Amino acid sequence: ILNVEQSPQSLHVQEGDSTNFTCSFPSSNFYALHWYRWETAKSPEALFVMTLNGDEKKKGRISATLNTKEGYSYLYIKGSQPEDSATYLCAFKISGGYNKLIFGAGTRLAVHP
Amino acid sequence: NAGVTQTPKFQVLKTGQSMTLQCAQDMNHNSMYWYRQDPGMGLRLIYYSASEGTTDKGEVPNGYNVSRLNKREFSLRLESAAPSQTSVYFCASSEVVTGGPNEKLFFGSGTQLSVL
Repeated sequence: ILNVEQSPQSLHVQEGDSTNFTCSFPSSNFYALHWYRWETAKSPEALFVMTLNGDEKKKGRISATLNTKEGYSYLYIKGSQPEDSATYLCAFKISGGYNKLIFGAGTRLAVHP
Repeated sequence: NAGVTQTPKFQVLKTGQSMTLQCAQDMNHNSMYWYRQDPGMGLRLIYYSASEGTTDKGEVPNGYNVSRLNKREFSLRLESAAPSQTSVYFCASSEVVTGGPNEKLFFGSGTQLSVL
């Protein structure tokens, strides 16, 4: 059974803090790793799609790294703002699995002013 | 700029009732998906349609049927709703021309379904 683990489950930080969380996935048959941002009462939106070991992607204050050999990805938020409050989902795509993504349960981030 | 549109947003059913969740996308995407989200769990794939005219089972298909009516529309039907189908349902689409790794999903806003 393929499993994607995200930690921590939830996180509370103060405005201005930097934070990071982890996505762990099977290191075999890797094809791609997706990160999505899901704000309450809205649709999940894609942040990053990463495919190569050592990939590093950045979007404003949010960045992500990928280690396919050991099966993990980190998401970093620099200088958190209240509008960063959301659930961050990672999803792992296996090779040969068409476009079927296996999602983790998410990390719920709350940024307090 | 509609993207992926799902209806209804909320629904309450009694056990045994049937209903259809509607989904439409205006991005000319080939592939469409239905996921369910339950507390403490990742999004789980119910059914997907790789292209118009095809549908395939995902991880949790039991109790559901789907129809890819045309390229734009992909509906999910619960024939006889059960309390275990209480969940938030998301429709999604992706371009998926080559099946490459960069095919991100575009999601609808979700349907909160309660089965009593």
